[in-house]
Amino acid sequence: SYELTQPLSVSVALGQTARITCGGNNIGSKNVHWYQQKPGQAPVLVIYRDSNRPSGIPERFSGSNSGNTATLTISRAQAGDEADYYCQVWDSSPVVFGGGTKLTVL
Amino acid sequence: QVQLVQSGAEVKKPGASVKVSCKASGYTFTSYGISWVRQAPGQGLEWMGWISAYNGNTNYAQKLQGRVTMTTDTSTSTAYMELRSLRSDDTAVYYCAISTGGSDAFDIWGQGTMVTVSS
Repeated sequence: SYELTQPLSVSVALGQTARITCGGNNIGSKNVHWYQQKPGQAPVLVIYRDSNRPSGIPERFSGSNSGNTATLTISRAQAGDEADYYCQVWDSSPVVFGGGTKLTVL
Repeated sequence: QVQLVQSGAEVKKPGASVKVSCKASGYTFTSYGISWVRQAPGQGLEWMGWISAYNGNTNYAQKLQGRVTMTTDTSTSTAYMELRSLRSDDTAVYYCAISTGGSDAFDIWGQGTMVTVSS
């Protein structure tokens, strides 16, 4: 079955840029979606189809996808961005989530 | 606005069954399929399966085949997820979610239902 690999944790200084990766075999050929989840809350979609932002998501959130790695980039990180982030694709499984990355804003 | 409202928390004994509901509002219920996703305490998201609200077709995660049943009631715009033969590792928050934007991404989620399996 298809697997997505994310780092367990990423730290970023306030106001700097955070990058969270999602690795998978030829993931560049798939549509990757990203979710933000804060403690005690349901996930929220922040990027769909690699690089598109839903309405209401700040422009600071962006995404890219190529080869074997998709990346979620958060510019000018704020304290409110501290959360768990999950990547997701549709495959033969058919839905696969990455293991999640905890973003800490220092 | 589009909204999914789930039933309340449940406590079950091992071997029992649980049925969680997800009531949809703000859109034509049969327009979107409903996925169920669960999250064990401190763990990541796990997709459980999907049901078409249009015709009832289902697709379950292989590891849950035989223990899970997803249904819908179009008269009340409600989806249900039943899990049988509960084990302690089924303890989790259970979410329903839909994709309304045509992108296959889950853009609307229910608030979650905590199911605790304990003797």
